[in-house]
Amino acid sequence: AQSVTQLGSHVSVSEGALVLLRCNYSSSVPPYLFWYVQYPNQGLQLLLKYTSAATLVKGINGFEAEFKKSETSFHLTKPSAHMSDAAEYFCAVTPMDTGRRALTFGSGTRLQVQP
Amino acid sequence: GAGVSQTPSNKVTEKGKYVELRCDPISGHTALYWYRQSLGQGPEFLIYFQGTGAADDSGLPNDRFFAVRPEGSVSTLKIQRTERGDSAVYLCASSFGGRDTQYFGPGTRLTVL
Repeated sequence: AQSVTQLGSHVSVSEGALVLLRCNYSSSVPPYLFWYVQYPNQGLQLLLKYTSAATLVKGINGFEAEFKKSETSFHLTKPSAHMSDAAEYFCAVTPMDTGRRALTFGSGTRLQVQP
Repeated sequence: GAGVSQTPSNKVTEKGKYVELRCDPISGHTALYWYRQSLGQGPEFLIYFQGTGAADDSGLPNDRFFAVRPEGSVSTLKIQRTERGDSAVYLCASSFGGRDTQYFGPGTRLTVL
């Protein structure tokens, strides 16, 4: 079984500040990990994904995430926030090496960017 | 190219009625997924199709929910005897294969009065 915990349902940063969104996972087998972003009235868009090739994953819009097996974490970061980054962010997990394809999502973190 | 499309974008119905929600996946994608997103929550998996068959329906909450994909492309999620607790945004996603990136549609917002 898998689960995802996103610490902080709301995060507020100033424009230009570091963005850090936390994700911890639980999985009985090695996982694939994802970050999706959801803008208002739009579908989920993939930011980046971890598939075991490299622990530091770079995604779109300047975001990156680091897979830390010892901490069971996959936190999302961006060095400098932009107003357009304001959205809801979801971390998700799916197991490697099994027949299961469904994503298990966290409850999301709403990012606010203050001018 | 065109993304995943879902119709209708909004559906309001009365308790006890039957509803159908449609998903048009990206052309050529063999895998199709349905998720449900309640207010303030992340999406929850309902069902996964590989081609025409349901490869995993473990997320369907009860037998009032049913989905089909008769020709391996368009899918319809059917909900019988709707209840107020069914109110949510129903998301569809598709991928080229079962292990590839899932691309999501904009969702159908279902409101059961």
